[in-house]
Amino acid sequence: DQQVKQNSPSLSVQEGRISILNCDYTNSMFDYFLWYKKYPAEGPTFLISISSIKDKNEDGRFTVFLNKSAKHLSLHIVPSQPGDSAVYFCAASGRGGADGLTFGKGTHLIIQP
Amino acid sequence: DTAVSQTPKYLVTQMGNDKSIKCEQNLGHDTMYWYKQDSKKFLKIMFSYNNKELIINETVPNRFSPKSPDKAHLNLHINSLELGDSAVYFCASSQTGIEKLFFGSGTQLSVL
Repeated sequence: DQQVKQNSPSLSVQEGRISILNCDYTNSMFDYFLWYKKYPAEGPTFLISISSIKDKNEDGRFTVFLNKSAKHLSLHIVPSQPGDSAVYFCAASGRGGADGLTFGKGTHLIIQP
Repeated sequence: DTAVSQTPKYLVTQMGNDKSIKCEQNLGHDTMYWYKQDSKKFLKIMFSYNNKELIINETVPNRFSPKSPDKAHLNLHINSLELGDSAVYFCASSQTGIEKLFFGSGTQLSVL
């Protein structure tokens, strides 16, 4: 029973273009959403987050959009750079994080030179 | 200066053995977690401890026993290892009430 879904296992984008990674969730109790980035043989590192009271959060080249009615969020990276090549995990939490984070399966982003 | 460190990074062992993975965080956080990433790449929570007390215990075989000697350490002991235990195990920490987790670099466990 996947409560957080990332339906694209991989995504290839040309350097300098926009990368859009998508995530859907099913649990309406989730009220906080995060994106993590993971390089091979390393642990996931926090990238950006958004609370359910907002619909957009921006941090430099990274913007996360939340559509609560559709239970959908997306991560935009613009412009994409070679160092952005990694696996991106969408995660969600509810109840102030008391249940930990629920992760999606990840999307492998490949930035083509 | 690593914030969340776990050892060993690689662990290869035979079925039936008992092994431990250690985790330490120097962030001053009061909540620590163990996550498992299986062959299908799902990251699933196994346990969480808050100030040395067990808070979350997902459906994990009781061969897995976490131990928290203090709030900066959360070790994972696994008895009678099975082939299906092969996975990457990640330790993480956070401050209570803040959902942002900091992860260690993972322990690749291979059971032969």
